[in-house]
Amino acid sequence: NAGVTQTPKFRVLKTGQSMTLLCAQDMNHEYMYWYRQDPGMGLRLIHYSVGEGTTAKGEVPDGYNVSRLKKQNFLLGLESAAPSQTSVYFCASSYSGDGNLYEQYFGPGTRLTVT
Amino acid sequence: DAKTTQPPSMDCAEGRAANLPCNHSTISGNEYVYWYRQIHSQGPQYIIHGLKNNETNEMASLIITEDRKSSTLILPHATLRDTAVYYCIAISGSARQLTFGSGTQLTVLP
Repeated sequence: NAGVTQTPKFRVLKTGQSMTLLCAQDMNHEYMYWYRQDPGMGLRLIHYSVGEGTTAKGEVPDGYNVSRLKKQNFLLGLESAAPSQTSVYFCASSYSGDGNLYEQYFGPGTRLTVT
Repeated sequence: DAKTTQPPSMDCAEGRAANLPCNHSTISGNEYVYWYRQIHSQGPQYIIHGLKNNETNEMASLIITEDRKSSTLILPHATLRDTAVYYCIAISGSARQLTFGSGTQLTVLP
C-alpha cells in the first residue's frame, strides 16, 4: 500500500494565483484531513471530511476550499493565494470509530511558497 | 480537550530507553492519550494511544498513571532515527480534530 500520497511535493505561487493540492489514500479510510504547519509551529487543522461528499471547517479554514468527491481523494484549493499561506500542508486519513479515530496517517507534505 | 504539558527538549543516549513525560492533570474520563512524533520535514507519525491501561506495541510503551493525570512514553532502545519532536495529545471521541502543541524535541545522541 502507498498509504497517503500528496501532489505536488513543492510549489511556488505568485500572490493571487490559484492551485489545488491533491491527497489520495488507499486504506479505505472514511475520514480525511488537511493541516498546515508554519515554521516552528504545531499543526493546525484547515478542513476535514467524515466521508465521501462531506466536508467541514477546522481551526483555520479561511482562504481555502475543499472537496471530497471520491472516498480516496481529498482536494484542497487556494482560490487566490496570499503570502500568509506560505506553509507546509499535510494531508491525513483515519478510520472512523471511537478509540481509533485519532490514529491518523499522514502524507509527506506539500511545501508551498507564495511570493 | 485537556491541556497537555511536555518538556521542550530531552536527550537520550543511543541504545538506552527514552522516557518522555506528559502531564494532563485536567484529563476527563472519556479522553484518550495519543502520542505522535514528527521527524524533521516529514509528516507526523502515530505511535500509540491509551485510555486507562498501559499499552505496548512494536514502537513503544505507554504508561498511564492510575489517576490518569500523567503518562510516559517509553522507547525501549532509542536509535538515532528516533530523533524527532514527540507530541502528547489528550482527546475525546467527540472532538473533531487533533491539536498538536509544541511537543518535546528528543535528540538521541551517539
